[in-house]
Amino acid sequence: LAKTTQPISMDSYEGQEVNITCSHNNIATNDYITWYQQFPSQGPRFIIQGYKTKVTNEVASLFIPADRKSSTLSLPRVSLSDTAVYYCLVGDIVQRGTYKYIFGTGTRLKVLA
Amino acid sequence: ETGVTQSPTHLIKTRGQQVTLRCSSQSGHNTVSWYQQALGQGPQFIFQYYREEENGRGNFPPRFSGLQFPNYSSELNVNALELDDSALYLCASSLVVGSVYNEQFFGPGTRLTVL
Repeated sequence: LAKTTQPISMDSYEGQEVNITCSHNNIATNDYITWYQQFPSQGPRFIIQGYKTKVTNEVASLFIPADRKSSTLSLPRVSLSDTAVYYCLVGDIVQRGTYKYIFGTGTRLKVLA
Repeated sequence: ETGVTQSPTHLIKTRGQQVTLRCSSQSGHNTVSWYQQALGQGPQFIFQYYREEENGRGNFPPRFSGLQFPNYSSELNVNALELDDSALYLCASSLVVGSVYNEQFFGPGTRLTVL
């Protein structure tokens, strides 16, 4: 099973760019890399997903090198409301037709004023 | 378009009891997954239902069971509750078409406390 390793916590200041790197050395050929954000007592919320190179949406960018053994979530100009836990996930085919996401312990991002 | 909803929000049970948690998937989604999230940990996959059949299970014992209904609502049942079952239970729905797995949309969760 593919597993992910992320920093346990990070601090940043408002207006800065935050980069969170995730290691997934055993990623499988069919796996996508997905990032979720979670606030306390809420369900995770999808941020971005990618397979290779770079993906950008309205809230974040995802950088994936050619070997796909790591990925970096980039949050531009963070605000206090970005304080949350960020999970890097890779999927796993449990059996034919089932694809489960494996969550790690996540990175606790604290944005300071 | 309504999102994923779960009920109840909070629940307190005693050891040995049984509990049923409910989830209503996002409109149009055909797959629902259930996760257990202990305090300070990431969500752990319990099982997934696709078109009313369980088609994948994580490392959880048989006393964790579920149902998915034709309207894509679902239930998580836990028998013989143990203290370690205290956690936030999350339901997530997605649309699976062929081999394409789209993003999962999570509900707000049910906080279960076992005393």
